[in-house]
Amino acid sequence: EVQLVQSGAEVKESGESLKISCKGSGYNFTTDWIVWVRQKPGKGLEWMGIIYPGDSDARYGPSFQGQVTISVDTSISTAYLQWSSLKTSDTAIYYCARRRRGGVLAANSWFDPWGQGTLVTVSS
Amino acid sequence: QSALTQPRSVSGSLGQSVTISCTGASTDIEDYNYVSWYRQHPGEAPKLIIHDVNKRPSGVPARLSGSRSGNTASLTISGLQGEDEADYYCCAYVARYTYVFGSGTKVTVL
Repeated sequence: EVQLVQSGAEVKESGESLKISCKGSGYNFTTDWIVWVRQKPGKGLEWMGIIYPGDSDARYGPSFQGQVTISVDTSISTAYLQWSSLKTSDTAIYYCARRRRGGVLAANSWFDPWGQGTLVTVSS
Repeated sequence: QSALTQPRSVSGSLGQSVTISCTGASTDIEDYNYVSWYRQHPGEAPKLIIHDVNKRPSGVPARLSGSRSGNTASLTISGLQGEDEADYYCCAYVARYTYVFGSGTKVTVL
């Protein structure tokens, strides 16, 4: 069974650093991109960024460029999302998901499965 | 890029049909033929229900269907059931392996 298992909930203070993880299993981790998605309390899904584990090529959404860093460790089939200095506005649930593709076109793709989510709470 | 536009909420009675639209600026999205849809129940992670505009993964009932016209994709839920009460999000590819989600639609079953 293909699974993405995320690290547990975090409670941090503003200004602290944080790294959360997403471990893949049941498939070849290096061949499919991993995406990160933010969901603030009571709000919708926001696409943050994506990484290709095969060569660590990472892309970011305009609102997240320079705000977070996405990385990967293929030796343990794990992707990471990290902050160097958290803000209270980073309080949210963060999901990872596997990008699947249906053909040669990059647009021919979707996200499945998803991790269970990691709740990050940042206080002032 | 801006989020794709979805109605904030739609509702229908048990057994009825509802349709959720997903519209983007024509220049934002590389190809509207590959919109995907996700359902999210409260307290749960999103789940893929439609990809490539109208293809259903294994286990997704046929009463969930997708379509597309120009720069608008739509999700139709026929024969509404209690389990359909959830939030629904569309997603489209922008360019260079970046994507954008829709604003989300809450479906209420009356």
